[in-house]
Amino acid sequence: EAQVTQNPRYLITVTGKKLTVTCSQNMNHEYMSWYRQDPGLGLRQIYYSMNVEVTDKGDVPEGYKVSRKEKRNFPLILESPSPNQTSLYFCASRGQGGENFYGYTFGSGTRLTVV
Amino acid sequence: QKEVEQNSGPLSVPEGAIASLNCTYSDRGSQSFFWYRQYSGKSPELIMFIYSNGDKEDGRFTAQLNKASQYVSLLIRDSQPSDSATYLCAGNSGGYQKVTFGTGTKLQVIP
Repeated sequence: EAQVTQNPRYLITVTGKKLTVTCSQNMNHEYMSWYRQDPGLGLRQIYYSMNVEVTDKGDVPEGYKVSRKEKRNFPLILESPSPNQTSLYFCASRGQGGENFYGYTFGSGTRLTVV
Repeated sequence: QKEVEQNSGPLSVPEGAIASLNCTYSDRGSQSFFWYRQYSGKSPELIMFIYSNGDKEDGRFTAQLNKASQYVSLLIRDSQPSDSATYLCAGNSGGYQKVTFGTGTKLQVIP
């Protein structure tokens, strides 16, 4: 089944404790992206990647890091989480070419709480 | 100014009616637009994609794009209670790399 898998689904952590949210897709997609979703603010792009070793900042990159060492994986790293990073996070991927390839397929989401 | 704007709603329509959802965008360079449906607590699901001016129909859904006026709309015919969800409009910008979402319109279909 074609899917984007993110882990964990839920995470509670303390301020300053480094964490990684994993994301993997099995569709051989070139593009991958991380979004956070907050009430009233909608989905905001954190980082995106156009292919292996090619990443760029989205609208809200502060406090986050990403890496794209393999095509299928795109982990999100919070080196020193703070309470304002409490949010619902989505990883998404899409391919190139063809109409629907431009639409992102989303993972199930990770609800992160930083206390 | 937000790049993609939507009315947050809620938009309430009776079962069987046509629901009309609207979206405006500010980046004239945007070429492709998407409509996603998001049920509460779930991830967004792509339901329509449009990049040419005019209408695009898929079952009960019709997406409309007017690049001159910079608006995108989604019509849902014969609305069903199962259509009750938040609908997110999105457009690409900065080439195809960046996809920006609106804040979503909550649709309630009343049985």
